[in-house]
Amino acid sequence: RKEVEQDPGPFNVPEGATVAFNCTYSNSASQSFFWYRQDCRKEPKLLMSVYSSGNEDGRFTAQLNRASQYISLLIRDSKLSDSATYLCVGGAAGNKLTFGGGTRVLVKP
Amino acid sequence: GAGVSQSPSNKVTEKGKDVELRCDPISGHTALYWYRQRLGQGLEFLIYFQGNSAPDKSGLPSDRFSAERTGESVSTLTIQRTQQEDSAVYLCASSLILIGATWDEQFFGPGTRLTVL
Repeated sequence: RKEVEQDPGPFNVPEGATVAFNCTYSNSASQSFFWYRQDCRKEPKLLMSVYSSGNEDGRFTAQLNRASQYISLLIRDSKLSDSATYLCVGGAAGNKLTFGGGTRVLVKP
Repeated sequence: GAGVSQSPSNKVTEKGKDVELRCDPISGHTALYWYRQRLGQGLEFLIYFQGNSAPDKSGLPSDRFSAERTGESVSTLTIQRTQQEDSAVYLCASSLILIGATWDEQFFGPGTRLTVL
């Protein structure tokens, strides 16, 4: 089992709709989690950190579910510019951070 | 301040040649990662350096690949006897351990696009 797993998608989302997707992790000791966004032929950029209490930044909400060992990302009022690959990453203290394979989101008019 | 820089930005080489890729992490970042990303694929972990600890080389695909890091500064990734399947973007990222031993985000460089003819 991979340490961090994501549904590759693509998630086809109508403009203005809400989309949510999860990322599961296998190491229960993981405590640092992030969501990154990667546009085509660009390097990944941090979207948001994921805290135990959750995190919200504008239209984006990230949640951590320790009991079920997954993090989630919800995008409200999707924009065409939200089309990208979303990467989750997690890691435990003393261990390297590990990326999931990414979830592709396509927002269509 | 300066981010992570990588050089060269593009490299075209012939099959069988050796190449060396360079990464300059953010100053003070103790952790440094190398990834490979083939076109349309996800990030493939290659190697991880953390402080003075032995590097985690578990992602290196073959013994043609090696990497070094001088202290907590520049790192070089060397690919010997390049093959066409080595063609990819090679990304470097650096990070910092925060108080409480949690990780800060990884900051990525712009990558080196390697093409092996």
